[in-house]
Amino acid sequence: SQTIHQWPATLVQPVGSPLSLECTVEGTSNPNLYWYRQAAGRGLQLLFYSVGIGQISSEVPQNLSASRPQDRQFILSSKKLLLSDSGFYLCAWSVERTGGYGYTFGSGTRLTVV
Amino acid sequence: AQSVAQPEDQVNVAEGNPLTVKCTYSVSGNPYLFWYVQYPNRGLQFLLKYITGDNLVKGSYGFEAEFNKSQTSFHLKKPSALVSDSALYFCAVRDIYGGSYIPTFGRGTSLIVHP
Repeated sequence: SQTIHQWPATLVQPVGSPLSLECTVEGTSNPNLYWYRQAAGRGLQLLFYSVGIGQISSEVPQNLSASRPQDRQFILSSKKLLLSDSGFYLCAWSVERTGGYGYTFGSGTRLTVV
Repeated sequence: AQSVAQPEDQVNVAEGNPLTVKCTYSVSGNPYLFWYVQYPNRGLQFLLKYITGDNLVKGSYGFEAEFNKSQTSFHLKKPSALVSDSALYFCAVRDIYGGSYIPTFGRGTSLIVHP
């Protein structure tokens, strides 16, 4: 079966510290992968998406970066966290290139920057 | 760019009553529309989608949505609400970024079902 794993579930980090959030997908090949941020329990902001290994597209200028070192692995990083980076980070995947099959989300990481 | 709007921040309904969560869309061409549900501190779960065909789409947990082209709406409905339906609901539309298809989400509507 197809599953998506996202960790850690919660994270408290000081301002200025680095960040690494990982997302992996099982049971499928060559998925489209996405990182979203949800602030204040509301709307979703697309941060990055990837259609293949090493292919990263960024939608919002920010303090974050993403990498896809393997087909089913997507990593969200920061060299120095800001208070404004706090939020709920969601990874998602889809396999169908026309976007008609819908998207599957991980369980999310709650990041608090203090 | 394609977009969806959810005009209500919150919807309150009594258990056993019908519920409606509203969504309107703005797209060029034929829309691909989705509804997702999010429980506290969890990821989004797919409920249903409309791509083509019957305007009434049935989904998970007894939910359905009606696609209305003339009103550019895709409202989520359920005949009889349960307390366990209380959650955050997102409408989404397929959008295009840099040649790739990406979902664009509405702001979300908090559904509260009272016992």
